[in-house]
Amino acid sequence: KQEVTQIPAALSVPEGENLVLNCSFTDSAIYNLQWFRQDPGKGLTSLLLIQSSQREQTSGRLNASLDKSSGRSTLYIAASQPGDSATYLCAVRPKNSGYSTLTFGKGTMLLVSP
Amino acid sequence: AAGVIQSPRHLIKEKRETATLKCYPIPRHDTVYWYQQGPGQDPQFLISFYEKMQSDKGSIPDRFSAQQFSDYHSELNMSSLELGDSALYFCASSLGGEWGDLRADTQYFGPGTRLTVL
Repeated sequence: KQEVTQIPAALSVPEGENLVLNCSFTDSAIYNLQWFRQDPGKGLTSLLLIQSSQREQTSGRLNASLDKSSGRSTLYIAASQPGDSATYLCAVRPKNSGYSTLTFGKGTMLLVSP
Repeated sequence: AAGVIQSPRHLIKEKRETATLKCYPIPRHDTVYWYQQGPGQDPQFLISFYEKMQSDKGSIPDRFSAQQFSDYHSELNMSSLELGDSALYFCASSLGGEWGDLRADTQYFGPGTRLTVL
């Protein structure tokens, strides 16, 4: 059964710092990996999606990488801002659980202080 | 741009009552997914529909049922509610297509319905 782990569970940084969030998964048989942002009590906002054949995706200050063979992904946030404060979830689409399924990690709660 | 719409946003029910949650996907999206997120938990996949047919089933209790209608909106029906059903219920939608197509793979989530069972 696919398991997704995110480290750290919480992170607090001052504004302007570059930071890296980590995601690992146990089974490399995936279609893709998706990073989401969730504000407290709110829905999920899709940030980046990386297909299994890709190594990275970039959107603005965000860069996500994928190393499928080692079961790892990182989300790099450059020049962090207080508005980046949220919980960041990574999710994989496993090949052995039905195409629709997304398996989520428990998230990293990020706090960027002014 | 239009997003996924869920109604109601908040719902309070008593134990053993019934609840119906509604999801309106992004226009032209033909695939709908339902997820349950308990307090402090990660979202758990419940069920999905593609072109009005059930496409995948996850950890959905037998007390729950769902369907997708001809206009592609979906409803999640929950009966004999239990305290443990209190959670945030998300609907997501995507544009169906050959897998590997980015448009088909990205799931766009709605704001969720917060269900509280007393």
